[in-house]
Amino acid sequence: EVQLVQSGAQVKTPGESLRISCKGSGYKFATFWIAWVRQMPGKGLEFMGIIYPGDSDTRYSPSFEGQVTISADKSISTAYLQWSSLKASDTAMYYCARGVGPIYDFDFWGQGTLVTVSS
Amino acid sequence: EIVMTQSPATVSVSPGGRATLSCRASQTVSGDLAWYQQRPGLGPRLLIYGTSTRATGIPARFSGSESGSEFTLTISSLQSEDFAVYYCQQYHKWPPSFGGGTRVEIK
Repeated sequence: EVQLVQSGAQVKTPGESLRISCKGSGYKFATFWIAWVRQMPGKGLEFMGIIYPGDSDTRYSPSFEGQVTISADKSISTAYLQWSSLKASDTAMYYCARGVGPIYDFDFWGQGTLVTVSS
Repeated sequence: EIVMTQSPATVSVSPGGRATLSCRASQTVSGDLAWYQQRPGLGPRLLIYGTSTRATGIPARFSGSESGSEFTLTISSLQSEDFAVYYCQQYHKWPPSFGGGTRVEIK
């Protein structure tokens, strides 16, 4: 059974750094793309970027380029989304999702990680 | 970026009724269109890809179609678990983009 299990909720203060994770199981992790999608409170879905764990080919949506870093460690079937300096506007639910290609639909999704940034 | 516009924002339907959701793209997406369902407190679930192909395990009451530049998700005979928010997504051009969502609520 394909599963994407994300790390738990985080509460941070502005300026702190953070890395959240997404662990895949039930399939060959290195051969599928993993995307990150933001959902701000009460809002819709926003595509942030995507990575191919097999060779770490990473692509960012222009809206998120330079704002976050996406990485992956195929040896432990885990993808990451990180911030070097959080802002209050980063408060959102973040989902990882699996895709067959860099521009594709997303057939499996994680349960989401809620990130709250507040002073 | 291709802008996806969904309408209406909210649709009220009685259980057992039919819901018709629309999604329009600002440029051609050549059929590279998916639909997702998001129930409260859960992550999205893929319903339809390639405009009209149901994902694995999705009931036949969900169907997708295209007419001109407008894409439609139809949910026939609504069940209680179908009351949720639905998003369309284009994956024809970088970056992939989602519509703003349509909420299907109980009438």
